[in-house]
Amino acid sequence: SAVISQKPSRDICQRGTSLTIQCQVDSQVTMMFWYRQQPGQSLTLIATANQGSEATYESGFVIDKFPISRPNLTFSTLTVSNMSPEDSSIYLCSVDPWGQGDYGYTFGSGTRLTVV
Amino acid sequence: DAKTTQPPSMDCAEGRAANLPCNHSTISGNEYVYWYRQIHSQGPQYIIHGLKNNETNEMASLIITEDRKSSTLILPHATLRDTAVYYCIVRAPVNAGNNRKLIWGLGTSLAVNP
Repeated sequence: SAVISQKPSRDICQRGTSLTIQCQVDSQVTMMFWYRQQPGQSLTLIATANQGSEATYESGFVIDKFPISRPNLTFSTLTVSNMSPEDSSIYLCSVDPWGQGDYGYTFGSGTRLTVV
Repeated sequence: DAKTTQPPSMDCAEGRAANLPCNHSTISGNEYVYWYRQIHSQGPQYIIHGLKNNETNEMASLIITEDRKSSTLILPHATLRDTAVYYCIVRAPVNAGNNRKLIWGLGTSLAVNP
């Protein structure tokens, strides 16, 4: 199974600023997923990122707010732009290590973001 | 994808079996049942999945009823480190035209007590 290194693990940011979260995978994967987990809530998918193409965003999430890069098969970034306190959440990346979609996905350890 | 229903919380004594139920009464014939868990301050961890047969791995056993409308995740000898939120998810295979998205509910918060 793949191993994901997600950075930073936590940050406290001023409103109006932006934060870029990085996910590095130890093997090549086709699809990467970015999630948000608000306090006390379950996971909500933000977008799916394929290498070499634009990310696909879920309803309620837009590229201007959450731009995603996927420069190669082992790396992706999610930027949370123009942050407000409502963006305080845990952000998680995930991959399908088997490339088939029918087995278990691997998750990063998450980035705990607090916006003040 | 079918919706799942889980109890919000459960308790279990350390060393005893933890049996976590999941109801998926609207499951379709080709949908798999997946279980993940999320230990506090960590990302979710895949546990096990199955279609209709019971499954067992080094972490847990999955028992799916014959009509597939419910399932039970069994942790045979729960330890304090098994304290986590456990999520039951159903999803059709990718080759059935389904995408790779997972729809997460609120799960069951399992507390293993000493």
